[in-house]
Amino acid sequence: KQEVTQIPAALSVPEGENLVLNCSFTDSAIYNLQWFRQDPGKGLTSLLLIQSSQREQTSGRLNASLDKSSGRSTLYIAASQPGDSATYLCAVIGSGTYKYIFGTGTRLKVLA
Amino acid sequence: DTAVSQTPKYLVTQMGNDKSIKCEQNLGHDTMYWYKQDSKKFLKIMFSYNNKELIINETVPNRFSPKSPDKAHLNLHINSLELGDSAVYFCASTHGTRGSPLHFGNGTRLTVT
Repeated sequence: KQEVTQIPAALSVPEGENLVLNCSFTDSAIYNLQWFRQDPGKGLTSLLLIQSSQREQTSGRLNASLDKSSGRSTLYIAASQPGDSATYLCAVIGSGTYKYIFGTGTRLKVLA
Repeated sequence: DTAVSQTPKYLVTQMGNDKSIKCEQNLGHDTMYWYKQDSKKFLKIMFSYNNKELIINETVPNRFSPKSPDKAHLNLHINSLELGDSAVYFCASTHGTRGSPLHFGNGTRLTVT
């Protein structure tokens, strides 16, 4: 059974700092992995999608990497800003399933 | 020009009532989902439809019944509401069944008293 864990559960950093969020999954037979952000009272916004054959994806200040064999993904945020404050979730979908399994989330606060 | 829209945004009702949540997407997607987010913010899949066909039916009480009248709509009907049904329910859609980004609605906060 696939389990997805995100560490840390919460993170507070000063503005301008580079930071890394972690996502671990127990079953390496995934089809793809997505990173999302969720603002309070809002739905989730897809940030990056990495196919199982890819090693990383980049969008602006965000870079997501995937190491399928070790069951890990990281989301790197460069030069963090207060507007980056949100909960970040990762989700994986298995090769033989239609279900995305979500992680527990990391609540990020960037201090001005 | 909202991509995935859910109504209502808030729903407060008493135990034992029946209620429905509606979802519509204008992205041309063919797959739609219902997710439940509990008080600890954990997201769990409930149902999914692809081209109006049910492809995911998780272990949820049969008081919950989804209905997809067409590819752009997915509704959720809940009978005999219980206190434990209180949560935020999210609708999502995507193109295909697994290779494209998920697009979420803003959620419906259900409170059962």
